[in-house]
Order: sequence, then structure tokens, then C-alpha cells
Amino acid sequence: GEDVEQSLFLSVREGDSSVINCTYTDSSSTYLYWYKQEPGAGLQLLTYIFSNMDMKQDQRLTVLLNKKDKHLSLRIADTQTGDSAIYFCAEIGGYNKLIFGAGTRLAVHP
Amino acid sequence: GAVVSQHPSRVICKSGTSVKIECRSLDFQATTMFWYRQFPKQSLMLMATSNEGSKATYEQGVEKDKFLINHASLTLSTLTVTSAHPEDSSFYICSASARGSSGANVLTFGAGSRLTVL
Repeated sequence: GEDVEQSLFLSVREGDSSVINCTYTDSSSTYLYWYKQEPGAGLQLLTYIFSNMDMKQDQRLTVLLNKKDKHLSLRIADTQTGDSAIYFCAEIGGYNKLIFGAGTRLAVHP
Repeated sequence: GAVVSQHPSRVICKSGTSVKIECRSLDFQATTMFWYRQFPKQSLMLMATSNEGSKATYEQGVEKDKFLINHASLTLSTLTVTSAHPEDSSFYICSASARGSSGANVLTFGAGSRLTVL
């Protein structure tokens, strides 16, 4: 079945890079997404990558896709306290529904 | 970019009453909207897919009589929690699908509605 898995927690020092990892099961997903959720708020689309790409860079964000291993990662360069949030990866499942991982809580400390 | 507005952001109600949550696509038309529920420190659970002009498609285990969805126009979907009970207290988030600049189907989310049933 469709499933997306992420590690639940990541703690980094301000200024370091953060790498959030995700694995998915549906190899037919055409797009994979990263969303950010701040406390008490909805989800904000950070970036997405087309399945025929290996990498996408957008300012401080770098997405790497290993389609063979069904592994997706999000790298945040120069992590700031404002980056503290929950990050969800998602794949497109059947009927164009988004399947979300459980979310990775990123904590940035001085 | 695409914006989805959700209202109210917070609502507190008494047990047994019904609560309506609105989800609007502000600058685009959305034939399909999705309603999610999120429990504290958990991921989003898809409740139903709201289709403009037709019945919503509910996920397994979601009571359609409890969570009424109406998608009467291309910019508005509503979720009504009927006869709410404390166990219905949750964070409800709607989303709508819009085309991104590269052609990707991108889900844009509302800010969410926190429902507390006393």
C-alpha cells in the first residue's frame, strides 16, 4: 500500500545544515512534496520535485531524490530559529490524494 | 500564488451542537478540495475529498453523517461537524488543488480550524 515514513525528530544548531529524510512506497508518484507546519498553523508548501529529477535547489533548500531507493531528502542550509517547525514529506497516491508522512519536528538551538 | 482561506480559525462549542467550517479558494477555482484532520503531534489524516457539484468521497472509517461536506461552488467547500462531542475536538485543515508553475498539481492549505467541544 501507499506509505510515507520519516524520522520524527531532528535537533540542529543554528547555522548548521539540517537534513530531513523520507522514504515512500509508491513508485508511480509523479511529484513529491515538502510541506512546513508551524505551531497552530496550516501547511505551507516549501518545494516539490518532479519524479524524473534527482535534485532541486531553491535558495537554502535542496531536495534530493533517489528514485531507485524511493528516498527523498530535504536539506536546509544555514538553519535558523525560524526554521523550527514540523516538516512533512508527501507523495501523490491513488486518485491524486496526497499521502503524508508523520512529520519531522525540527528543533533549532543556539 | 494560490491562497486558501479557512474560517473560523478557532471555535469552541458545547457538546451536541453543530459547527460549520468554511474553506475558500481566493484567487483560483477549485473543483476538488480536501479535508484533513490532525490530532496533536500527529500527521494529517485525510477525511474526505470534496467535489464541486457532487457528493464528497469519504475515507474509510469517516462517518459521512457526522462530517457533512458541501461543495456548492468552485471556490467554497464547507465541513459541518454535526452533534459534536469532545472526541471530535481536533485541528481541521482544508486544502485545494491548483496548478503550480511547472504544471505540478500543488495542494494549497488553509490555516486550519481548531475545534474544541466542551
